[in-house]
Amino acid sequence: AQSVTQLGSHVSVSEGALVLLRCNYSSSVPPYLFWYVQYPNQGLQLLLKYTSAATLVKGINGFEAEFKKSETSFHLTKPSAHMSDAAEYFCAVSVLNTDKLIFGTGTRLQVFP
Amino acid sequence: KAGVTQTPRYLIKTRGQQVTLSCSPISGHRSVSWYQQTPGQGLQFLFEYFSETQRNKGNFPGRFSGRQFSNSRSEMNVSTLELGDSALYLCASSSGGVIETSTDTQYFGPGTRLTVL
Repeated sequence: AQSVTQLGSHVSVSEGALVLLRCNYSSSVPPYLFWYVQYPNQGLQLLLKYTSAATLVKGINGFEAEFKKSETSFHLTKPSAHMSDAAEYFCAVSVLNTDKLIFGTGTRLQVFP
Repeated sequence: KAGVTQTPRYLIKTRGQQVTLSCSPISGHRSVSWYQQTPGQGLQFLFEYFSETQRNKGNFPGRFSGRQFSNSRSEMNVSTLELGDSALYLCASSSGGVIETSTDTQYFGPGTRLTVL
């Protein structure tokens, strides 16, 4: 069975600091991985996705994630946090050959001035 | 292109009632999936419809049902509401088929927040 684990339910950074949100996956087959962001009272917005084309994936709003098979990780990073990045971030893996997504428990990012 | 739309955005019901939520996918998308989001259980997959057929189903009781129309619009129904059904219900659409193609991504609507009193 496929699953994802997000380490840290809350992450706080200062504006301008590096953002690192951790996600580890479990999958018996090459996974398709996603990062979504959710702002208060809104749905999920796709940040980026990994579908085996390249291990370093660039997304919107300056975010990127690197797929590391040896570490079964897909951590999300941004070099410099902005106040507008404050939101909840979800890592997800798709079940093979379906549209079903399995989500992690989410990480709430706070950005302090 | 217009995004995924969900109606209504907010709903208040009492225990024992039933409710129907609606989702209109992005134009041209044929797959619609439904998710339940709660503080305790997080985001959980309910079911997916493709070309009017349920293609996948999550681990929810039979009180939760859905359907898809020929224009790909989908409805979700919950009967005999319980307090624990209070949640944000999210709908997502994709072009359908298998997700191996890099363009087949799920796009989410704003959700319907259901409160059961």
